[in-house]
Amino acid sequence: RKEVEQDPGPFNVPEGATVAFNCTYSNSASQSFFWYRQDCRKEPKLLMSVYSSGNEDGRFTAQLNRASQYISLLIRDSKLSDSATYLCVVVTMDSNYQLIWGAGTKLIIKP
Amino acid sequence: DTAVSQTPKYLVTQMGNDKSIKCEQNLGHDTMYWYKQDSKKFLKIMFSYNNKELIINETVPNRFSPKSPDKAHLNLHINSLELGDSAVYFCASSQDHINREQFFGPGTRLTVL
Repeated sequence: RKEVEQDPGPFNVPEGATVAFNCTYSNSASQSFFWYRQDCRKEPKLLMSVYSSGNEDGRFTAQLNRASQYISLLIRDSKLSDSATYLCVVVTMDSNYQLIWGAGTKLIIKP
Repeated sequence: DTAVSQTPKYLVTQMGNDKSIKCEQNLGHDTMYWYKQDSKKFLKIMFSYNNKELIINETVPNRFSPKSPDKAHLNLHINSLELGDSAVYFCASSQDHINREQFFGPGTRLTVL
């Protein structure tokens, strides 16, 4: 099993729809989680951190499920500008300091 | 004002050459990173420095040598470039190694011929 896994997609979603995708991780000692978005030929940009109790930022909701070892990202009322690749990051600070990125989920919002 | 800047933006060079990429951040962050993103778009961390001290050193050929003259700068020197080194190299910074919200530079697209 890969340390951090994401469905590569692409997810083709009509504008205005709600879309969700997950990121699973293998190390139960992982402590910090983030979602980034990356547009084509651009650098990754932080979208949101993921808190234990779940958190929301406008149309975006991030959740953490420690029992099943995954984080999720929900996008409501999707816009054309949401088209991008969404990358999750999992951070572990035990005997090894690890910062592992998922391969990303490609999202395409269609008019 | 650019928060994290990298130079050059594009680098085309021959196999066997030695090249450097420079990174600077003006955010006052303590921690800086180098990443490699290959043609399959997989983003992999290479190195991380916290206050000029190396804290992450992933399995990377020793042809790659990072240097941090101060906490605002992290440069990457690559010796004896190989075809497989062709990729986009991103520099990033975060407040410290505990708060890992990272801010990325625009990337350096390296092509080895």
